[in-house]
Amino acid sequence: AQSVAQPEDQVNVAEGNPLTVKCTYSVSGNPYLFWYVQYPNRGLQFLLKYITGDNLVKGSYGFEAEFNKSQTSFHLKKPSALVSDSALYFCAVRDIGGATNKLIFGTGTLLAVQP
Amino acid sequence: DAGVIQSPRHEVTEMGQEVTLRCKPISGHDYLFWYRQTMMRGLELLIYFNNNVPIDDSGMPEDRFSAKMPNASFSTLKIQPSEPRDSAVYFCASSLSQNEAFFGQGTRLTVV
Repeated sequence: AQSVAQPEDQVNVAEGNPLTVKCTYSVSGNPYLFWYVQYPNRGLQFLLKYITGDNLVKGSYGFEAEFNKSQTSFHLKKPSALVSDSALYFCAVRDIGGATNKLIFGTGTLLAVQP
Repeated sequence: DAGVIQSPRHEVTEMGQEVTLRCKPISGHDYLFWYRQTMMRGLELLIYFNNNVPIDDSGMPEDRFSAKMPNASFSTLKIQPSEPRDSAVYFCASSLSQNEAFFGQGTRLTVV
């Protein structure tokens, strides 16, 4: 069955420090993986995606993510956190070649960056 | 393009009333998704369409919920009759093929 897990409800990091938000997935076919960010009272905004090719993908606002097939993970990273990065982050997966092509989301991780 | 457009942005209704949420996807997109977001359940996929055809409605919670997509430019999610536990933010999203989905601003539904 298709699923995506974000094991941390909240991640706390000091401004200027590197950040990692974790995501693991399960699909029967090939995964298309995505990260989104949500600010209060707003819709989800697309950050970056992995479809094929280089395992390290770069996205908006200095974020990047690394696809690891053996660990079925797609962790979000940023070398230096900003207070303005504080928001709710969602990992999502589409199961390409699997039973369905639906886009499902993890439970979200609240990132809090302290000044 | 103006992005995915949802209406209304806010809806307050009484229990038992019919509620209709509307969505205009991005022009040219062939997938449309309806999600519900609550604190308890997170972001749940309710139903999705491909080329206006419903593909998977396994996330629709009850028969009180129904969704239609009469053409490529418009979709509705209807709740009849509404109940207080339906209170949530409902999002519509669209994508071009299997690429990333773009979200609307959502409809905040309150059923009293």
